[in-house]
Amino acid sequence: KNEVEQSPQNLTAQEGEFITINCSYSVGISALHWLQQHPGGGIVSLFMLSSGKKKHGRLIATINIQEKHSSLHITASHPRDSAVYICAAGSNTGNQFYFGTGTSLTVIP
Amino acid sequence: KAGVTQTPRYLIKTRGQQVTLSCSPISGHRSVSWYQQTPGQGLQFLFEYFSETQRNKGNFPGRFSGRQFSNSRSEMNVSTLELGDSALYLCASSLAPTSEETQYFGPGTRLLVL
Repeated sequence: KNEVEQSPQNLTAQEGEFITINCSYSVGISALHWLQQHPGGGIVSLFMLSSGKKKHGRLIATINIQEKHSSLHITASHPRDSAVYICAAGSNTGNQFYFGTGTSLTVIP
Repeated sequence: KAGVTQTPRYLIKTRGQQVTLSCSPISGHRSVSWYQQTPGQGLQFLFEYFSETQRNKGNFPGRFSGRQFSNSRSEMNVSTLELGDSALYLCASSLAPTSEETQYFGPGTRLLVL
């Protein structure tokens, strides 16, 4: 049983397309994090959400606490957005995370 | 401010050996967490330290252990290495021991067990 389900696993898009990645979780959380991992392994935190919606540039993250669901949207996608995006559910019992399997995004020029 | 650093970056060991990995958090961060990433299992939580105390532990065997020093630097140790321990080991630091804090990840240590 996976505490965090993420979809799709792989995504190929044309430059400029609107992209959505979905995350559903079954555990109690304090916060939901979206992470970006580039080839080579480095992970960067994009968003930390406990409610509502956040926006950074072309990236938007939303969370519906009642439905235990979060989405990451990328508007006007660009080849530099190509990376693996990982959803991480932050436990409400401490600084412990449950991770989705990741979405590998490739944006083609 | 310097980011999270991990040493060594790459390591090759043989089955049965033990290994120690090091993580230096961002200055002022007192919470350090460790993760294992493999192609098959993805990212998995190993353990978390705050103020030299292990606060949370993931579902890993006792061969995996860690500690944190008074300067917040942390080490993890894996004894009696198995082939399946080959992975990218990441540490992350945060200001406080709560999942409502932004996590800052190090570059990782890539361990290969032969």
